[in-house]
Amino acid sequence: EVQLVESGGGLVQPGRSLKLSCAASGFTFSNYYMAWVRQAPKKGLEWVATISTSGSRTYYPDSVKGRFTISRDNAKSSLYLQMNSLKSEDTATYYCARRPGITSYFDYWGQGVMVTVSS
Amino acid sequence: EIVLTQSPTTMAASPGEKVTLTCRASSSVSYMHWYQQRSGTSPKLWIYETSKLASGVPNRFSGSGSGTSYSLTINSMETEDAATYYCQQGSSYPYTFGAGTKLELK
Repeated sequence: EVQLVESGGGLVQPGRSLKLSCAASGFTFSNYYMAWVRQAPKKGLEWVATISTSGSRTYYPDSVKGRFTISRDNAKSSLYLQMNSLKSEDTATYYCARRPGITSYFDYWGQGVMVTVSS
Repeated sequence: EIVLTQSPTTMAASPGEKVTLTCRASSSVSYMHWYQQRSGTSPKLWIYETSKLASGVPNRFSGSGSGTSYSLTINSMETEDAATYYCQQGSSYPYTFGAGTKLELK
């Protein structure tokens, strides 16, 4: 059974940093692109980052480029999101998601982890 | 950036009623994907590559479209279909989602 379990969320002050983790199991992690998608309270979904199978290629929207870094450790079947210079508008539930092969959709999602940016 | 516009924003349907949700893209895309999100839960892949049903999705659901206009149809509304549905394009970065259609049971 595919499982994605996020951790590392919490309350953080504006301008500070936070690192999210996602532990994957039930599939060969190194064979899949992975991504982070977030959802602000009562709002829609926003794609945050994607990383290739080896980690050599990463992709971000302008809203987080230069502040967020996605990475992975295939030996540990783990995905990470380093978030720096956090802003109040980064407050959201962050989901780890799997992207199969050369497709562009997300077939499995974690339960999500809440990040609140507030003083 | 490709903007996806979903309509309606909210709608209510009676059991057995046919439902159609639409998603329009600001530029042509190759495929559209759809997700279902029930209240308080994570999104689930529902329809991928425009018309393929994800595993476990009932066959009363279908997807269609091309270019800039896509739709998700429920042949006969059931109680469990009440949820918010999001469309998503991955034809070009940044990947974008529509704002969602909240489907309620009448």
